[in-house]
Amino acid sequence: DGGITQSPKYLFRKEGQNVTLSCEQNLNHDAMYWYRQDPGQGLRLIYYSQIVNDFQKGDIAEGYSVSREKKESFPLTVTSAQKNPTAFYLCASSPYLTAGYGYTFGSGTRLTVV
Amino acid sequence: QKEVEQDPGPLSVPEGAIVSLNCTYSNSAFQYFMWYRQYSRKGPELLMYTYSSGNKEDGRFTAQVDKSSKYISLFIRDSQPSDSATYLCAMTASYDKVIFGPGTSLSVIP
Repeated sequence: DGGITQSPKYLFRKEGQNVTLSCEQNLNHDAMYWYRQDPGQGLRLIYYSQIVNDFQKGDIAEGYSVSREKKESFPLTVTSAQKNPTAFYLCASSPYLTAGYGYTFGSGTRLTVV
Repeated sequence: QKEVEQDPGPLSVPEGAIVSLNCTYSNSAFQYFMWYRQYSRKGPELLMYTYSSGNKEDGRFTAQVDKSSKYISLFIRDSQPSDSATYLCAMTASYDKVIFGPGTSLSVIP
C-alpha cells in the first residue's frame, strides 16, 4: 500500500543532543513537508521541498535542518539549537503544485526532551 | 488576529446528531479549503477539499465555503462514535503553503 512512513513513533532526546526523524514515502509525490503540532495550535510548517535537492524554510525553521537527496526521503534533524523541541512532528507529501487538493500525512513522531 | 481561527471545543454530541464545525479566516486570497480528521496520536487524514465558494457533499459530510464572509463549515449528518476525533480546517492561496486551524475536538456519545 502507498503511504508515508515516519519513524520512530516515539523519540526521547537529552538536552544538547541532535536527533533525526525519518520520513519515507512511496506515493511518487514530488513535494514533502514537515509540520510541528503543539496542543491548542495549528500545524506549523518547519520546512518543505518541492523537488529533490531543493528545500525552503517554513515559518519555524530555526533549530531544524532537512535534506532531500532522494524523492522518497525527507529526514528532519532537530538540533540542540531548538530550545523547545517537545512536540508531535508530522511529515506530509503531495504531488507537485497541488497543495490545495490536500496532503497525505504520516502517523507522526512524538519527540520528548528528557 | 490569527490567519485561521477555529473553536477548539471540546464539542460533545449524542449519536445521530448533526454536527457543525466552523472556521473563519482573514486572508481573502485563500482559494482552496480543506478539512482533515485526526484521531488521537495519529496523522491527519484528508476528508474533503473545495475550491472557491460553494458546497460539496461526500456521504455524510458536507463542506461549505462562504468567501464573502470568510467562513467555512463542515457538517456531519447522522454522527457516529467513530466520528470522534479532532477536525482541522486548512486553506491556501497558493500551491505550496497551507495554513491550518488549531482543530476542534469532537466526541460523539453512543
